[in-house]
Amino acid sequence: QKEVEQNSGPLSVPEGAIASLNCTYSDRGSQSFFWYRQYSGKSPELIMFIYSNGDKEDGRFTAQLNKASQYVSLLIRDSQPSDSATYLCAVNLNNAGNMLTFGGGTRLMVKP
Amino acid sequence: GAVVSQHPSRVICKSGTSVKIECRSLDFQATTMFWYRQFPKKSLMLMATSNEGSKATYEQGVEKDKFLINHASLTLSTLTVTSAHPEDSSFYICSAAPGTNADEQYFGPGTRLTVT
Repeated sequence: QKEVEQNSGPLSVPEGAIASLNCTYSDRGSQSFFWYRQYSGKSPELIMFIYSNGDKEDGRFTAQLNKASQYVSLLIRDSQPSDSATYLCAVNLNNAGNMLTFGGGTRLMVKP
Repeated sequence: GAVVSQHPSRVICKSGTSVKIECRSLDFQATTMFWYRQFPKKSLMLMATSNEGSKATYEQGVEKDKFLINHASLTLSTLTVTSAHPEDSSFYICSAAPGTNADEQYFGPGTRLTVT
């Protein structure tokens, strides 16, 4: 079992819709969770991080964490074509210092 | 703030030669620098973690004699791919962290290595 898993996609949504990206992790003791966006040929850029169960909102983005189910998600409201990218879930596994373990990424396509 | 640069951004080299990639934190001191490799349509795979002044810690399956990492100062780490082969062609990305918090990890723009 991979430590951090994501559906590779592509996930296709129409412009203006909500995109829902999901990630599961295997280490129950993990403390912090990150969502990165990566455009083709570029390095990842941090969208947001979440530590506590529940929702965390930042503009059009909402991260949701459920530690009991070992599940973290990212919702993108009012999706725009410019949101088309690969979204990487990263987890700071238990006892890993500040090291991040990345999921395989989900490719999102927002169609005009 | 929190800018990380990498040089070169792209490099093409012949099989058997060595290539050095630099990672610099421009406006902060990086206690730790991480080196990742990303193959096309794949995720980031951590290669090694380096702390200033000490030997790098390599992930399982990464050859330390092939991927030489030097973290000589708090703002510079280098990755040297020795005797490069076509299968080493990849996107190499570094990140730098000023402290011990996982949420303070800043990525460089990456280096595209092509070995012919």
